[in-house]
Amino acid sequence: DAGVTQSPTHLIKTRGQHVTLRCSPISGHKSVSWYQQVLGQGPQFIFQYYEKEERGRGNFPDRFSARQFPNYSSELNVNALLLGDSALYLCASSYPRVQDGYTFGSGTRLTVV
Amino acid sequence: AQKVTQAQTEISVVEKEDVTLDCVYETRDTTYYLFWYKQPPSGELVFLIRRNSFDEQNEISGRYSWNFQKSTSSFNFTITASQVVDSAVYFCALSEEMSGGYQKVTFGTGTKLQVIP
Repeated sequence: DAGVTQSPTHLIKTRGQHVTLRCSPISGHKSVSWYQQVLGQGPQFIFQYYEKEERGRGNFPDRFSARQFPNYSSELNVNALLLGDSALYLCASSYPRVQDGYTFGSGTRLTVV
Repeated sequence: AQKVTQAQTEISVVEKEDVTLDCVYETRDTTYYLFWYKQPPSGELVFLIRRNSFDEQNEISGRYSWNFQKSTSSFNFTITASQVVDSAVYFCALSEEMSGGYQKVTFGTGTKLQVIP
């Protein structure tokens, strides 16, 4: 079985631009969560989606948004990029609860210049 | 609010030494889950262990062992006979169910382990 796949693996954007990151969960997993990991820190929770509905949101500005599709894949969108948005963005999938198994993808490295 | 503290930012050991990574957590819930993840230089987060709050049995998996003590809110991780391949950043994490029915995982700041040959 394929693990959690994220695309792209690396991305360079300019301040003010918009970015879309994609995540495909493990087959059968209905819950997807997004995390931001700034260099030297632990991952910070951004969103959790389950069955296409947003279930939880971390302390991130409204520039961050996400959605989940009928096939349970997910997109994370960030508008008006700031230099501080440079980070590794990690997606994790679980079925249906975190405690049932929580698998991370390899992440998307976003650099904002 | 939940919190995970990994007081050791960096540890260096010589190969074959034993090393313990400390993790202290804070939570008001009685039901929660604790995790350890390994993040090698390649960046992916590799799951090592999950432990629920009702299971205080220590666990051993090969050279890895975990000591969960609710009385001190600690979930420490020991690597026996360390190897160069163990060099990575290790994260301790805590999962709680939030109001609204979702699970939030809070990570510590990580401990960077360097195993010197």
